[in-house]
Amino acid sequence: DIQMTQSPSSLSASVGDRVTITCRASQGIGNYLAWYQQKPGKVPQVLIYDASTLQSGVPSRFSGSGSGTDFTLTISSLQPEDVATYYCQKYDSAPSTFGPGTKVDIK
Amino acid sequence: QVQLVESGGGVVQPGRSLRLSCAASGFTFSSYGMHWVRQAPGKGLEWVALISYDGRNAFHADSVKGRFTISRENSKNTLYLQMNSLRAEDTAVYYCAKSARYAYLTSDYWGQGTLVTVSS
Repeated sequence: DIQMTQSPSSLSASVGDRVTITCRASQGIGNYLAWYQQKPGKVPQVLIYDASTLQSGVPSRFSGSGSGTDFTLTISSLQPEDVATYYCQKYDSAPSTFGPGTKVDIK
Repeated sequence: QVQLVESGGGVVQPGRSLRLSCAASGFTFSSYGMHWVRQAPGKGLEWVALISYDGRNAFHADSVKGRFTISRENSKNTLYLQMNSLRAEDTAVYYCAKSARYAYLTSDYWGQGTLVTVSS
C-alpha cells in the first residue's frame, strides 16, 4: 500500500505568517489528494481536493499544489482561527490513507 | 443539508462485538458511497472502510480486515459497521462520512462520531 508522510509534524507561527505544510506519497497518486482541517474537539473539514481545488466556503488564504508524490498546503496569512491539525489523504485507490497530521498553533 | 448521525458506541470487553449505525439525511443516500474513519484518543485519522452506493463493493483497511464489515441498508438510509473480535487498539471515535461528489474514495461530509472503548 502507498504510505503518506507529512512534514513538519508541528509548527508554531505568528499571525500573518505564511505557513507551508508538505505531504509526500510513497508512490505517485496523480492529483488525487485532499487536505483536511481538524480544529480541537471538532470534526475534520475538507479544505482542498484534487490537490489544488478549494472546497466551497474555504477562505482563499488556503491553497494547495503538487502532483505525483509531492504536495503542499499553504496558508498565505495565518489567522488565529487556523489553529488546527491538518491532514492529507490520498484517494487514487483504496485504501484512502491519511497522512499523520501537522499541528499548527500560534506563536 | 447533509446530516450523518452515528450511534452504537460504548464500552465493550476485548474479544466482543459491537455494531455501529449511521443515519443519513439531506442527500440521496442510495447514490453515494460511504466511509468509516476512526481516530484513537489523541491520535490521527485512520480510514477504516468504504462501501459503494449499491453495497456491491466494499473495501476494508488491513488493520480491520476479517474482523470488521461495512454494510448499508438503502431503504433505511443507514450505514453500518459490524465490529467483531474487538481489541484495545480499536478504541477510537468512529466517524461515518459521505463519499465526495467529486471522488468516490474520499469524503466531503462527516458525522460527529461515536466513541468505542474496548476495555476489560
